[in-house]
Amino acid sequence: GENVEQHPSTLSVQEGDSAVIKCTYSDSASNYFPWYKQELGKRPQLIIDIRSNVGEKKDQRIAVTLNKTAKHFSLHITETQPEDSAVYFCAAPFSGGYNKLIFGAGTRLAVHP
Amino acid sequence: GAGVSQSPSNKVTEKGKDVELRCDPISGHTALYWYRQSLGQGLEFLIYFQGNSAPDKSGLPSDRFSAERTGGSVSTLTIQRTQQEDSAVYLCASSEGVTGELFFGEGSRLTVL
Repeated sequence: GENVEQHPSTLSVQEGDSAVIKCTYSDSASNYFPWYKQELGKRPQLIIDIRSNVGEKKDQRIAVTLNKTAKHFSLHITETQPEDSAVYFCAAPFSGGYNKLIFGAGTRLAVHP
Repeated sequence: GAGVSQSPSNKVTEKGKDVELRCDPISGHTALYWYRQSLGQGLEFLIYFQGNSAPDKSGLPSDRFSAERTGGSVSTLTIQRTQQEDSAVYLCASSEGVTGELFFGEGSRLTVL
């Protein structure tokens, strides 16, 4: 079925520590894996994405890794800062139609000074 | 327009009434999604329009929900005979193609009394 599982649901870290959020997906044909950040009261916004032809992508303090064999991908945030506090959503497209984007349940990250 | 526009931003209605929520996507974007986000929860997929193809309605929770997209641009989500459990923020998003960054609107917050 169409499913994206995301863990953990909440994550609390000290400023400067690293944070890792993991997602698994069910459709082996999925080929695009974005991560969205939603700050309190705001709309979700894309922070990084990866396509299935690469295993890792970095952008400053954030990185995403992809394991297509295991059907999972992860978001890594290094040197966390209080402004990283938000809800993070992973997503994957599902085939059998038009590759609609299905989101994970979200991870609420709290970075404490 | 500069971004995805949704209206109304807030709607309070009585149980049993019908409501219409409007989404004006970014010009030229062929893909349009509706998601529902209950308080503190994830992004629940509702419906997906891609170009001139028939929409993917597989996420609509009941036959009280319907949506249309006229002329490949503006979309309207209609909820008939609203129930209290329909209370949520309804988010619209558009993208250029099948896989690509989703640009979200600010959402329409629906409260059913």
